[in-house]
Amino acid sequence: NAGVTQTPKFRILKIGQSMTLQCTQDMNHNYMYWYRQDPGMGLKLIYYSVGAGITDKGEVPNGYNVSRSTTEDFPLRLELAAPSQTSVYFCATRDRLTYEQYFGPGTRLTVT
Amino acid sequence: AQSVTQLGSHVSVSEGALVLLRCNYSSSVPPYLFWYVQYPNQGLQLLLKYTSAATLVKGINGFEAEFKKSETSFHLTKPSAHMSDAAEYFCAVSDPTGNQFYFGTGTSLTVIP
Repeated sequence: NAGVTQTPKFRILKIGQSMTLQCTQDMNHNYMYWYRQDPGMGLKLIYYSVGAGITDKGEVPNGYNVSRSTTEDFPLRLELAAPSQTSVYFCATRDRLTYEQYFGPGTRLTVT
Repeated sequence: AQSVTQLGSHVSVSEGALVLLRCNYSSSVPPYLFWYVQYPNQGLQLLLKYTSAATLVKGINGFEAEFKKSETSFHLTKPSAHMSDAAEYFCAVSDPTGNQFYFGTGTSLTVIP
């Protein structure tokens, strides 16, 4: 089992460009999450999903969009990249019964 | 919303010494509390979790944490530090529904040989 995979690993964007961060899981978990990690700030929740077709905002959703058409995939979309979106992005799933989260390896994004 | 405070962004201990990483949560008791570890350039891995079954929780790699409601704390300890314990440690709590999670700002642990 691959667990949670994220692509790309690294990306440099120019201000105003758009991109999609991909997240795929093979754990059959309904719950999926997107976090951003900034130095000294811990992880902040951007969006989460409790199942296919259902998404909800977290603490810092502005500038991002998500969709959840399948159980396996939970892409994060940046429409107009800004320097403030420079961060490391982590996708995670959550086990329905244990509430434990499983994290992907992260995507390091730089916006210049 | 829940909040988590981790006192000490950097902690250094000698190899073989006690490790104590502090975590305090906001006043309402969350259903679940967690400690995660992050090694350089990797995602987070679960160390242990509290789910009200027992106040002293044992995790992987010899770590344990004690839930103290009176102190709103969930400190992480390990009796004897090993070089391989050097990493960033995050405390996290769930919201009352268990759907959302709030992370502390992290504590970077350095182990001195």
